[in-house]
Amino acid sequence: DTAVSQTPKYLVTQMGNDKSIKCEQNLGHDTMYWYKQDSKKFLKIMFSYNNKELIINETVPNRFSPKSPDKAHLNLHINSLELGDSAVYFCASSSRQVGFSGGYTFGSGTRLTVV
Amino acid sequence: AQSVSQHNHHVILSEAASLELGCNYSYGGTVNLFWYVQYPGQHLQLLLKYFSGDPLVKGIKGFEAEFIKSKFSFNLRKPSVQWSDTAEYFCAVNAQTGANNLFFGTGTRLTVIP
Repeated sequence: DTAVSQTPKYLVTQMGNDKSIKCEQNLGHDTMYWYKQDSKKFLKIMFSYNNKELIINETVPNRFSPKSPDKAHLNLHINSLELGDSAVYFCASSSRQVGFSGGYTFGSGTRLTVV
Repeated sequence: AQSVSQHNHHVILSEAASLELGCNYSYGGTVNLFWYVQYPGQHLQLLLKYFSGDPLVKGIKGFEAEFIKSKFSFNLRKPSVQWSDTAEYFCAVNAQTGANNLFFGTGTRLTVIP
């Protein structure tokens, strides 16, 4: 009964490949997010997605694209992977219906290593 | 846009010592404030949150934080740390209106020596 689940947990791939990371939440939340945590543990928001409204952090390369088949899923697709994409990627969800006070629930993370 | 500063990069304490981790934010409007903990190799877990009311907030595992609006601060405290508190601690803020994006500080690594 995991609340926010991500797959895969680990992903090792070569430069130039295209890969996807999947995220699903069963909390009934209406907003989902992708965060990137770099080697220094800094967490940076990449995308938020709410009812067809996608908000993109303008610093994120357009090789990264979120795809949401429904409000319980927000997958992350990455084209032409680069060494600098190596990081831990966290999916999260929240509900605006609780007055923004509920905080986020995070997935367990996907450690991406590009070689 | 909101921003969060955590001035302590790495804190090393002995067991039973008291802890205070600093967090300051910058934003002109009304905010919600959070502290998350990330144990080694794990995901982020919510320790405590503030959105209104009593500025002294109590969280899980004996942690508490105090919101001081005039100082734009939300420092995390624990009177007596344990070895199991060794982790990375993140302060975060989001605006009560708008996109609800959560902005994190750079984190503070806490190492507790037995």
